[in-house]
Amino acid sequence: AQTVTQSQPEMSVQEAETVTLSCTYDTSESDYYLFWYKQPPSRQMILVIRQEAYKQQNATENRFSVNFQKAAKSFSLKISDSQLGDAAMYFCAYRSAVGGSRLTFGEGTQLTVNP
Amino acid sequence: DAGVIQSPRHEVTEMGQEVTLRCKPISGHDYLFWYRQTMMRGLELLIYFNNNVPIDDSGMPEDRFSAKMPNASFSTLKIQPSEPRDSAVYFCASSWASGAVDTQYFGPGTRLTVL
Repeated sequence: AQTVTQSQPEMSVQEAETVTLSCTYDTSESDYYLFWYKQPPSRQMILVIRQEAYKQQNATENRFSVNFQKAAKSFSLKISDSQLGDAAMYFCAYRSAVGGSRLTFGEGTQLTVNP
Repeated sequence: DAGVIQSPRHEVTEMGQEVTLRCKPISGHDYLFWYRQTMMRGLELLIYFNNNVPIDDSGMPEDRFSAKMPNASFSTLKIQPSEPRDSAVYFCASSWASGAVDTQYFGPGTRLTVL
C-alpha cells in the first residue's frame, strides 16, 4: 500500500517570502500522479498543482512550484511571494496511474502567513 | 460551470438517527468519491463509483454506512443509525478519467455532528 508523509505539521512564513512544504511517499509503482491540495478555513479542498511521475520537468503554477525527486520519492511544494490568502492547510496526495483513482493523502501542513 | 455540490453543509443530529448526505458531481464526470475527514484519521476514502457502479467500498467503516449512485448526477451517503464517532466532515469529489491525469474536484463538504 502507498503511504504519504508530511513531516511538518505547521509552518509559518512572512508575507512576500518563500516557503517550502515537504512531502515524501512510499510506493513500488513506477507510474503515478502527485498532487498538492489547499484547504482554507472554509474547508473547501482546492487543487494547487499536480505532477505526473513520468515527467522529469517540475510542474509550476504561477507562484507555486514543486521539486519532484522520483528516486528519493520526494515531492515538495514551494510557494513564492507568499500572500495572506495562502494561509491554509496543505495536503500532499498520491494517486496510482493503474487500478483506480483512489487518492492517498498525507497528514497535512498548516501554513501561517504573517503580515 | 458549477462545481461539486453537496447538501446539507451542516448537519446536527442525535445518536441513533438516520443521516443522509447528498452529492451532485460535476456534469460529465464519470468517477465519484466519498471521503471523510477527522482530526484523528485525516482524510480517508470511504467509497468510489465509476459510471454509477461502486468500485471500491473497502473504506466504508461498517454496515451502518451505505452509499448509492442511482444516476450520473446524484449520489447519497447514508448512516443508520448514527453514532457520535461518525462526527466528521464528509467530502464528495468527482473526476473524469480521460486517459490523462484525472483530477479530483471536491465539494465544499458536509460537517456532521452527532450528539
